[in-house]
Amino acid sequence: KQEVTQIPAALSVPEGENLVLNCSFTDSAIYNLQWFRQDPGKGLTSLLLIQSSQREQTSGRLNASLDKSSGRSTLYIAASQPGDSATYLCAVNVYGQNFVFGPGTRLSVLP
Amino acid sequence: EAQVTQNPRYLITVTGKKLTVTCSQNMNHEYMSWYRQDPGLGLRQIYYSMNVEVTDKGDVPEGYKVSRKEKRNFPLILESPSPNQTSLYFCASRPSGDLYEQYFGPGTRLTVT
Repeated sequence: KQEVTQIPAALSVPEGENLVLNCSFTDSAIYNLQWFRQDPGKGLTSLLLIQSSQREQTSGRLNASLDKSSGRSTLYIAASQPGDSATYLCAVNVYGQNFVFGPGTRLSVLP
Repeated sequence: EAQVTQNPRYLITVTGKKLTVTCSQNMNHEYMSWYRQDPGLGLRQIYYSMNVEVTDKGDVPEGYKVSRKEKRNFPLILESPSPNQTSLYFCASRPSGDLYEQYFGPGTRLTVT
């Protein structure tokens, strides 16, 4: 059964730093991987979707990469801002199992 | 505006009192799904529906029911809620086919006393 982990569980950085969030999954039989942002007590906002055939996707200051063979994805945030503070979740769309989520990384960007 | 809506957003109820959480989407999506989110456990799928009248269990279906009589609506029913169903619930939708992203509703915070 697919398992998704995210490292680190929490991260605190000063404003302006570039940072990397990691997502690992155990089974490479996936259709795609999606990164979400969740603000406290709020819903999930989709950030990036990477198909299994793609290596990376970019949106503004965000860049997500996917290495399906090694079961890893990274979310790179450039020039972090206090408004980036949130929990970041990755989810894999798995053959025959639908979506499996990681536990999230809680990010704090300090002014 | 394309969106997934849920009602109510907050609900406090007592053990055993039947309740329904509604979910509606205006994007003509075939696939809809319910998740619950608990501290330390992340998001777990309760039920999903591939289309009207087609539903299937997710990872944690016990104590829940769903129905899909119309394409836009996918209500979550708790026939006899218990305190262990206290959680944050999310509804999501996407087009059919496995290559599309999911869109999430704002969440329903349920407390069962």
